[in-house]
Amino acid sequence: EAGVTQSPTHLIKTRGQQATLRCSPISGHTSVYWYQQALGLGLQFLLWYDEGEERNRGNFPPRFSGRQFPNYSSELNVNALELEDSALYLCASSLFGGSSYNEQFFGPGTRLTVL
Amino acid sequence: KQEVTQIPAALSVPEGENLVLNCSFTDSAIYNLQWFRQDPGKGLTSLLLIQSSQREQTSGRLNASLDKSSGRSTLYIAASQPGDSATYLCAVRRQGANSKLTFGKGITLSVRP
Repeated sequence: EAGVTQSPTHLIKTRGQQATLRCSPISGHTSVYWYQQALGLGLQFLLWYDEGEERNRGNFPPRFSGRQFPNYSSELNVNALELEDSALYLCASSLFGGSSYNEQFFGPGTRLTVL
Repeated sequence: KQEVTQIPAALSVPEGENLVLNCSFTDSAIYNLQWFRQDPGKGLTSLLLIQSSQREQTSGRLNASLDKSSGRSTLYIAASQPGDSATYLCAVRRQGANSKLTFGKGITLSVRP
């Protein structure tokens, strides 16, 4: 069974540009989560999508946004890129996230570098 | 606000040693706790998940325990090997509908041959 996949592996942008990151969940999973892992800051929760709806959002500015498609894949968009947005962005998926018994499985990540 | 602490930040041990990695959290109202492994520049591999009603979980040479009332979990690695070298993160999921995981900053383990 295929795991969570993310694309691209690496992304290099300049300040002010927009970045789009993609994630495909494990088959059968309806919830997708996005996390940011910046150097020295640890893993921070960004967004949770389930059944096409944004369910929860971390403490990030509105220029971080995303969506979930009918096939449960997801996009994370980062507008007006800043240098501090450089990080590893990890996507995870689970069965319905509202259940207390869900386990999150992570993809390999997208390394975003902002120059 | 849930806070997760992992101390020390780094650990170096000789091959074959049994070792314990610690994780503490401030809010005991959790659904579950997960231990992950992360190799440099890579994603996370889930090692063990302990539900709040459980005391421990085992997988191969790994054993994780949970003491919810004291806000602590330990990951025990038996007979460590150089291939165990990685960063180990624990994460807790608070009770409630928000579903997010709160992570510690991880313990970077180096197992010397």
